[in-house]
Amino acid sequence: EVQLLDSGGGLVQPGGSLRLSCDASGFTFSGYGMSWVRQVPGKRLEWVSTISGRGDTTHYADSVKGRFTISRDNSKKTLFLQMSSLRVEDTAVYYCAKVAPGGVSDYWGQGTLVTVSS
Amino acid sequence: DIQMTQSPSSVSAFVGDRVTITCRASQGIGSWLAWYQQKPGKAPKLLISAASNLQSGVPSRFSGSGSGTEFTLTISSLQPEDFATYYCQQANTFPPWTFGQGTKVEIK
Repeated sequence: EVQLLDSGGGLVQPGGSLRLSCDASGFTFSGYGMSWVRQVPGKRLEWVSTISGRGDTTHYADSVKGRFTISRDNSKKTLFLQMSSLRVEDTAVYYCAKVAPGGVSDYWGQGTLVTVSS
Repeated sequence: DIQMTQSPSSVSAFVGDRVTITCRASQGIGSWLAWYQQKPGKAPKLLISAASNLQSGVPSRFSGSGSGTEFTLTISSLQPEDFATYYCQQANTFPPWTFGQGTKVEIK
C-alpha cells in the first residue's frame, strides 16, 4: 500500500525558514517523480515544485523560485522541501504527492500546515 | 500558464441525482486532464486521468469526457459519500501544472 507521510509544518515569522519532509513507502520511491502542492484553506490547489525520480531535474512555480528547494534522499525514501524567505502568502497546507505517468498525482500525503505570521 | 475554469462553483443536489461539472482550459490540452475529489480536511484523491480513465477502485458512477478545451465530470447517481469538492487539473503543459478553482457538491 502506498503511503506518504508529510511533516515539518508549523508557525514561522516572515523571512524565516522551514523544512518539510515526506516519508514514502509501498512503492519504488526512486522510480517516480515527486511533487509538492499547496492549498490555502478554501482555495484552489497550487502546484509548487516537482523533482525527478533520480533527483537530477527540478521544477518550481514562479511564486517560489529562488526561495524554495526541493530534494530527495532515495536511500531513505524521503522527499524534502526547504523553504526560505517565507512570506505571509506562503501560508497553506502543503501536500507531497507521487507523480504518475501523464503528469497526475496519484497518491497524496495527509498535508502539513505552514503558517507564516508575525 | 494555462488557466483552468470550472463551472459551477457549487451545486446542490439530492442523493440519486445526476451531477455534471464542467472544466474549461484557456488553450487546448488534448486529453491531458485529471479530476480529483477532496473532502474537508483531507488530501485530494485522484478519480480520473487522461480525461476519461477511471482510476482503480473509483466507483463506475463517476465518468469523465472531453478533449481540447472543454471537459466534464459526471456523477450518474449521487451518493452520500460523494459530497465533496472536485478539482480539475491540466497535465498538458509543464511547468506549471494548473488546477481549476473547484466545484463544491453539497446536499440539497
